[in-house]
Amino acid sequence: QVQLQESGPGLVKPSETLSLTCTVSGGSVSSGSYYWSWIRQPPGKGLEWIGYVYYTGSTKYNPSLKSRVTISVDTSKNQFSLKLSSATAADTAVYYCAREFTRSPDYWGQGILVTVSS
Amino acid sequence: QSALTQPASVSGSPGQSITISCSGTSSDVGGNNYVSWYQQHPGKAPQLMIYEVTNRPSGVSHRFSGSKSGNTASLTISGLQVEDEADYYCSSYTSGSTFVFGGGTKLTVL
Repeated sequence: QVQLQESGPGLVKPSETLSLTCTVSGGSVSSGSYYWSWIRQPPGKGLEWIGYVYYTGSTKYNPSLKSRVTISVDTSKNQFSLKLSSATAADTAVYYCAREFTRSPDYWGQGILVTVSS
Repeated sequence: QSALTQPASVSGSPGQSITISCSGTSSDVGGNNYVSWYQQHPGKAPQLMIYEVTNRPSGVSHRFSGSKSGNTASLTISGLQVEDEADYYCSSYTSGSTFVFGGGTKLTVL
């Protein structure tokens, strides 16, 4: 059973870069069958897709976030990561990492709350 | 890309059936068969309930079913149970190779 676990700072200062890592167990990020995604959910609001990475390093991002987002994969550590630059209070959210299979995020991490505040 | 349109809330009594709609465009819902539905209980991560419009992952109850007509997809829950009370989100793959979610629907089981 694949499991995903988000990690990183729970508090980020405005204008700084939000950085999170997702560690995958029970499966391999090097599998060519899956893409690896980041999705976020502001408190009390709906889900927003951020982007995904393939094991080759190929990426796709939400057009509304594209200028600030970088998603990368580290196959040696079986991890993938999210960097969101120039953070503002609007980036405060629960961030989820997920595995994507047949164009559907099927396994999700438990989520990590990141607050952007000074 | 704009969020898919879902009703903010629906309700039903135990044993009844309800349907949640998800409206998009020909660039997302209407343009492919990659529509998914998620159930989210408070404080929990979303759980995949339907993928590729009509398919149920292993372990998901047969009471959950999906369909699509044109630019609108639907999730039907039959034989409502108290534990079905949750938020439900649809998502769709898009012509730009991205994903878009619906705004979410709160299901209340009366």
